[in-house]
Amino acid sequence: GDSVTQMEGPVTLSEEAFLTINCTYTATGYPSLFWYVQYPGEGLQLLLKATKADDKGSNKGFEATYRKETTSFHLEKGSVQVSDSAVYFCALSGSSSGSARQLTFGSGTQLTVLP
Amino acid sequence: EAGVAQSPRYKIIEKRQSVAFWCNPISGHATLYWYQQILGQGPKLLIQFQNNGVVDDSQLPKDRFSAERLKGVDSTLKIQPAKLEDSAVYLCASSGAGTRVKNIQYFGAGTRLSVL
Repeated sequence: GDSVTQMEGPVTLSEEAFLTINCTYTATGYPSLFWYVQYPGEGLQLLLKATKADDKGSNKGFEATYRKETTSFHLEKGSVQVSDSAVYFCALSGSSSGSARQLTFGSGTQLTVLP
Repeated sequence: EAGVAQSPRYKIIEKRQSVAFWCNPISGHATLYWYQQILGQGPKLLIQFQNNGVVDDSQLPKDRFSAERLKGVDSTLKIQPAKLEDSAVYLCASSGAGTRVKNIQYFGAGTRLSVL
């Protein structure tokens, strides 16, 4: 079945440092890929997405590129802020038919940014 | 637009008791999901509804968990009787034709359940 493997955390960075959170996946066909973020006490929010190979999703300074050859979707940000402290989840949505496809999540990476 | 609403936010019960969670999806969203998120893990799908019909409940422990979505809007998830390992955050999400990409799911804040 489909699966997502995420970089183990927690990750602690200083403000303005460069961030990379690794994500690799296993899936049949051509899944859509997502990064969700969960701030303390809140639900998951979609951060960015990519629906086909070589697509780059971006939002709020975060970027991730859908790499089919390496089955990866690594999250990057050039300069993190304290407000980026949260848990980040990589997820995929399978290529099965249906208008609303199920999400398979990674285990999450806790990011803490220190001032 | 209003987001996905869930209640209660927190619940503490003893093992073998029953508990129910409520979810109100974003207006017009046909698809509703319930996820279980155990501490330190990613959310795991329990059940998916399309309108008021079940699309997938293959990972729902049916001996103790049940869910319904009357009239294709609100949904309730029930656990009876609860076990210690049911301690988790229960997340509700919805998606629908109003989104630009149909499979974008919008999540509620969740209900944190502690079973003692």
